[in-house]
Formats: sequence, C-alpha cells, structure tokens
Amino acid sequence: QQQVKQSPQSLIVQKGGISIINCAYENTAFDYFPWYQQFPGKGPALLIAIRPDVSEKKEGRFTISFNKSAKQFSLHIMDSQPGDSATYFCAAGANNLFFGTGTRLTVIP
Amino acid sequence: GAGVSQSPRYKVAKRGQDVALRCDPISGHVSLFWYQQALGQGPEFLTYFQNEAQLDKSGLPSDRFFAERPEGSVSTLKIQRTQQEDSAVYLCASSLVSGAGVSYGYTFGSGTRLTVV
Repeated sequence: QQQVKQSPQSLIVQKGGISIINCAYENTAFDYFPWYQQFPGKGPALLIAIRPDVSEKKEGRFTISFNKSAKQFSLHIMDSQPGDSATYFCAAGANNLFFGTGTRLTVIP
Repeated sequence: GAGVSQSPRYKVAKRGQDVALRCDPISGHVSLFWYQQALGQGPEFLTYFQNEAQLDKSGLPSDRFFAERPEGSVSTLKIQRTQQEDSAVYLCASSLVSGAGVSYGYTFGSGTRLTVV
C-alpha cells in the first residue's frame, strides 16, 4: 500500500509559469511533510518542508499548501525557470520518511 | 566532510555475489538512514541508526540485507547473494539530531548505483 500518492507523473511548464505538484497521504500520525528536488545522478535535496499545524509555508518561489482534513499537500513553484527542471518528490513521515513516486518537471525556455 | 559521501558510486555485481556499500555521514551527525531507490521511483526506507544502534530495520527486504554502523559514524550496507531485483540506487542520509531526525530534514548522499547482472 502506497503511503504517499503523488501526481502528476510529469509536468511541462513554460518559463515564468506556475508549477503545481500534488500529494496525498494516508497516515494521520505523519507530522512532517518535506519536498525534495533531485537532479540526475544526485541524491534528493531538501527544498521546503511543513508541519501539520500550519496551512501554508513560503520560501522564495516555493510554497507548500497543506490541507490536514483532506490529508493533502501541494508544492507550487512560482515563476518557474529552466533550472528548476528536475524530479520532485513529496514525502511524509514521523520516524522515517515515505516518498511519493516523483514528478519530472520540465520548464521550457 | 562537507556532505554525505557514498562509495562506490557504481557497482556491477554478478548474480550471487556479495556486495558492500559504504556511507560516510556528515561529521557529528547522530542519525543515519539507508534508502533504496528503484529506477523511476521514490526512495524507500531500509533502515535507521542512532549512533551505533540500529533502531529500525523494518524496511530491509530480506535477510540477505544487513547494515551496520559499529562506531556510530561510517555505515556499511551489505547485500549477500545479490539478485537482479536488488538493482537500484542505494541512498544514505544523515541528520544532526538524535531521535528519528526526520522532522529536521536530513542530507542525502549521491548514492551507489548497483547493477546485478
């Protein structure tokens, strides 16, 4: 059973546009919800994270929206740039992390 | 070191061969995690150490997988009698804090890509 479901599998966005990636989780004991960015041949790198006591967190062009009642959270990338092209993973957990299956983002110049 | 270092970067093993993958965490990091990432998938949890104690090994897929961290720093993931389904990238992550550390965000290494032929 997949603990964290992520969509879409791939996303193509024009430069300057908004990229939106969605995730849903099952376990209400999860208390930490990070997003990771991964480039080919590299390990995932922490982008931004949120706890369930807040509904939104913004860091620069990256925003997490969190809906505790729906058990959903999403990543918004504003003013998307070609350098943002990577695979993005949502994750959720308490003692260890469960990852989504990833979204391959391509930002077209 | 500046980051989490994993070696080798690539490993090709014949089916049935034993392999050992090494992880050098960031100096002073208490928590250490191993994850397995299949091609096109997200990382999947294997095991977790706090210092030298292995506190959770629930993700290890079979008894052919064994991990250790004898002195609370470097860790080794050993896979005995490798099978083709073991082919994946094995990621190590470390965190400064004690406890699970997950809620503070941990740093991943670049991984070891294991190919079993």
